[in-house]
Amino acid sequence: SQTIHQWPATLVQPVGSPLSLECTVEGTSNPNLYWYRQAAGRGLQLLFYSVGIGQISSEVPQNLSASRPQDRQFILSSKKLLLSDSGFYLCAWSVLRGEQYFGAGTRLSVL
Amino acid sequence: AQSVAQPEDQVNVAEGNPLTVKCTYSVSGNPYLFWYVQYPNRGLQFLLKYITGDNLVKGSYGFEAEFNKSQTSFHLKKPSALVSDSALYFCAVRDLNNAGNMLTFGGGTRLMVKP
Repeated sequence: SQTIHQWPATLVQPVGSPLSLECTVEGTSNPNLYWYRQAAGRGLQLLFYSVGIGQISSEVPQNLSASRPQDRQFILSSKKLLLSDSGFYLCAWSVLRGEQYFGAGTRLSVL
Repeated sequence: AQSVAQPEDQVNVAEGNPLTVKCTYSVSGNPYLFWYVQYPNRGLQFLLKYITGDNLVKGSYGFEAEFNKSQTSFHLKKPSALVSDSALYFCAVRDLNNAGNMLTFGGGTRLMVKP
């Protein structure tokens, strides 16, 4: 069966520090991968998606970037965090025309 | 552009009563529709989906949803609510022309089931 791992679960970082959140998927090949941010426990904002290794599409311009160095690995990064980067970050995967499956999320607090 | 509306920020229901969480959508062509549930500080869990076929879709934990093309709605239902159903519920739509399999999510509806 397929599983998705996302870590860390919580992270507290100072403003201006770098960020690296990692997501890996097991049990499937060539999945579509997604990064979302959820603010205040409500709506989801799609940040990035990837349909293959090295293929990243950005949905909104911001202080973040994403990379997909391996088929089942998706990384969310920032060189310098802003206060506004605080939120709940969710990674998800899907196969073509299928539902998306989500990781447990990372709660990021930028202080 | 596709969109999803969940008109109720919160739905309150007594345990044992039927519940409905509303969702309407707008998309070009035939939609793929989904419901997800989110418990506090957790990721979203897939409940059910409509792709084609029977308009009444059954999913996890006793939930079901009815696809109504004329009303462009996909309301989530359960015959008898449990306190443990209290959570945040999201409706989502996928446009068939969407090459990245991206979903558009509604703003979410908080379901509160009182004992």
